[in-house]
Amino acid sequence: QLQESGPGLVKPSETLSLICTVSGVSISRYYWSWIRQPPGKGLEWIGDIYYYGGTRYNSSLKSRVTMSVDTSKNQLSLNLNSVTAADTAVYYCARWYDSTGYFDYWGQGTLVTVSS
Amino acid sequence: DIVMTQSPLSLSVSPGEPASISCRSSQSLLHSNGHNYLDWYLQKPGQPPQLLIYLGSDRASGVPDRFSGSGSGTDFTLKISRVEAEDVGVYYCMQALQTPRFGQGTKLEIK
Repeated sequence: QLQESGPGLVKPSETLSLICTVSGVSISRYYWSWIRQPPGKGLEWIGDIYYYGGTRYNSSLKSRVTMSVDTSKNQLSLNLNSVTAADTAVYYCARWYDSTGYFDYWGQGTLVTVSS
Repeated sequence: DIVMTQSPLSLSVSPGEPASISCRSSQSLLHSNGHNYLDWYLQKPGQPPQLLIYLGSDRASGVPDRFSGSGSGTDFTLKISRVEAEDVGVYYCMQALQTPRFGQGTKLEIK
């Protein structure tokens, strides 16, 4: 299971910080992704991270995104800085099965609203 | 970046009738290993997306056999042989050859 957590409200220009807690499987040896979905819109891949820390980011967000993993806690984290209202979305974490290229496990998602 | 284009963006189907969704990519998704890196997901209302099809035509575990995927290169199709009420939601194709990118989504409603 995957469970996202973090503030539901972030002020413009500040940093959005989320944690995904993974249970039932070791975070090691898999890729883990963040995906977001603005209200009423489609899905946007934010980036992914391998358990040792290797990352790939969406080129459109790369300058503002940082991902990390904590293998001792079986958690991954997402930081997105300098947020605007356009970053308001449901944020999902998901496991990326790299060998065949698909997301097989998803969290339920957490809504983050950017507003003053 | 590879751009994914789905059509139609919405469709309304009677129970028991077939449905078909098209997905086109701006570049070929055929890898040198012979696999097409194209997935299909269904997002039911209020839920995260769930994997239906991967590698263009392989059904994910637990997916009913009324769902099938086909196509190669840049043109792909998801077919539902007999639509059921539980199939309502938004269907997304996604290319997995490069960094993942989703299509716009196709909303399926029941007549």
